[in-house]
Amino acid sequence: IAGITQAPTSQILAAGRRMTLRCTQDMRHNAMYWYRQDLGLGLRLIHYSNTAGTTGKGEVPDGYSVSRANTDDFPLTLASAVPSQTSVYFCASSDSRHSGANVLTFGAGSRLTVL
Amino acid sequence: GQNIDQPTEMTATEGAIVQINCTYQTSGFNGLFWYQQHAGEAPTFLSYNVLDGLEEKGRFSSFLSRSKGYSYLLLKELQMKDSASYLCAAMDSNYQLIWGAGTKLIIKP
Repeated sequence: IAGITQAPTSQILAAGRRMTLRCTQDMRHNAMYWYRQDLGLGLRLIHYSNTAGTTGKGEVPDGYSVSRANTDDFPLTLASAVPSQTSVYFCASSDSRHSGANVLTFGAGSRLTVL
Repeated sequence: GQNIDQPTEMTATEGAIVQINCTYQTSGFNGLFWYQQHAGEAPTFLSYNVLDGLEEKGRFSSFLSRSKGYSYLLLKELQMKDSASYLCAAMDSNYQLIWGAGTKLIIKP
């Protein structure tokens, strides 16, 4: 089934630890995104990639890094996790970021708790 | 600044009609999106409007007024499975999506 796979589904992490959330898509979409979703707030963009080999900062990039070595994979790394990074993380993809009808396909999400 | 406003929660009865409103303020405008998100799941695309007017898609319709910075999602013949959060998002001139916090729709029998 075409779509986006995220791993892990959920994780409890001690503060200060390094963590990588994995994201893989099989739709050959050019653009990929990482969002966080917190209660009472809209989805907030962390980082994005317009195409393989390029990345950009979103609204809340501090404490996170990404890489886009190929079209399919877009991992998100927390170098040293802090409790404020407790959230649900969604990876998404689309044909093109620079398009009005830019419909996003989302992964199932990764629930991260930092203690 | 850029902003999206939508009600936090709404309640409706099975079989009825409900309208979820969304107002937006963005730097430029490249369209308005509605997504549906069931609890614990990923958002899924419902509709996209870039021109004024009503777009109908089965039981769901979406309306846009660019001059008023206003959109609504209309759900007809409500079913229990329509219980979900509905996310409004506006795209600005840089193709950046500005998301609302979502409207939680509760359907009662």
